[in-house]
Amino acid sequence: QSVLTQPPSVSAAPGQKVTISCSGSTSNIDNNYVSWYQQFPGTAPKLLIYDNDNRPSGIPDRFSGSKSGTSATLGITGLQTGDEADYYCGTWDLSLSAYVFGPGTKVTVL
Amino acid sequence: QITLKESGPTLVKPTQTLTLTCTFSGFSLTTLGVGVGWIRQPPGKALEWLALIYWTDDKRYSPSLNSRLTITKDASKNQVVLTVTNMDPVDTATYYCVHRKLTGDAFDIWGQGTTVTVSS
Repeated sequence: QSVLTQPPSVSAAPGQKVTISCSGSTSNIDNNYVSWYQQFPGTAPKLLIYDNDNRPSGIPDRFSGSKSGTSATLGITGLQTGDEADYYCGTWDLSLSAYVFGPGTKVTVL
Repeated sequence: QITLKESGPTLVKPTQTLTLTCTFSGFSLTTLGVGVGWIRQPPGKALEWLALIYWTDDKRYSPSLNSRLTITKDASKNQVVLTVTNMDPVDTATYYCVHRKLTGDAFDIWGQGTTVTVSS
């Protein structure tokens, strides 16, 4: 059972926008940076967002991150079929003294 | 360019100890802020962080697996080794070696992963 909560799945039509929530607590999200990772089947995850709202070089600006209190959100605009993947949030948990991941959210493009 | 590659057995028997090696290039584990960690993913399940070692040799472990994990580094060989004792079929997973971003706690570069099956 993860200390972070994500919806199991989200979906939208091509070109639309989806948001994925990541809910935590004061021991993790509220007091630490949040990262987001994208994973396609059979491949290693890739860093999508770091430090709440920063994109690594090469990540399109269709992907955005935000954080407020104990929750973080990943947004994907202009949804493309190539965005179909699993998305994980992650952050450090002070109480556990461990890095924690959310359970993951599957994005489906209708 | 930073790369990491995992190596180790693909099959281990229950109760055995798993030893995985991460061989990396493009950075040094003696550089301020550098960290290398391990993350695993059972088939069809979520990512699970296991351990992290810093340039200072400071170490962090998953509290749920703490007693079974040991992470060490050999900076001269550009390697990080993870051992997991008393392996069980539930430990069957793909194990990833990761580079910690110099600032913050994100993992910015991932190895391709190595699949380990625990079965008698």
